[in-house]
Amino acid sequence: GESVGLHLPTLSVQEGDNSIINCAYSNSASDYFIWYKQESGKGPQFIIDIRSNMDKRQGQRVTVLLNKTVKHLSLQIAATQPGDSAVYFCAENMGLYNFNKFYFGSGTKLNVKP
Amino acid sequence: NAGVTQTPKFQVLKTGQSMTLQCAQDMNHEYMSWYRQDPGMGLRLIHYSVGAGITDQGEVPNGYNVSRSTTEDFPLRLLSAAPSQTSVYFCASSRTGVDSTNEKLFFGSGTQLSVL
Repeated sequence: GESVGLHLPTLSVQEGDNSIINCAYSNSASDYFIWYKQESGKGPQFIIDIRSNMDKRQGQRVTVLLNKTVKHLSLQIAATQPGDSAVYFCAENMGLYNFNKFYFGSGTKLNVKP
Repeated sequence: NAGVTQTPKFQVLKTGQSMTLQCAQDMNHEYMSWYRQDPGMGLRLIHYSVGAGITDQGEVPNGYNVSRSTTEDFPLRLLSAAPSQTSVYFCASSRTGVDSTNEKLFFGSGTQLSVL
């Protein structure tokens, strides 16, 4: 999962396998969460989002799960492809309490082996 | 639509020099923001704006100024660059939802800044 600091966690998976990337968020008042993908030398790219009134949301090959009890967010990527290799990070927003600020985790590097 | 456009892509400054990082978006987004990204760390918010004429500080505002004279543009100014400001800078924008909550951020491609 993600952590603050200099060492970026790395997840290595075989092409075709499913990937699960985890994120522990910090504020129980956060009610909006986003997963981003960042390829080397590029800006973060939106993958999927979820609001706190939901536990699960599905997109194309991706699913986000939210567990508010333990303040945990996960991103599942089905049938991982080489093009999925990137750094993934989550962002939280405290909605009505402080909706103008997003807080980002440090990221997890996904390495897809062919 | 070009989305969020940042210029320049790369910049090298000497300590004490000033410069402006440009950011423009063509999506008519009310909300714009600047982040810096340091190795192994998450994006940290520098300044943000909820509309033309309105700006506010983020987590790490010291050493940076912003202004928002138009909806489209949100420049970031470094008045006297320091080596600690060596980083990759990202501009992001989003639409503000009808209930005043923010929606997903769209990011530019970044400016890699080195201060010697």
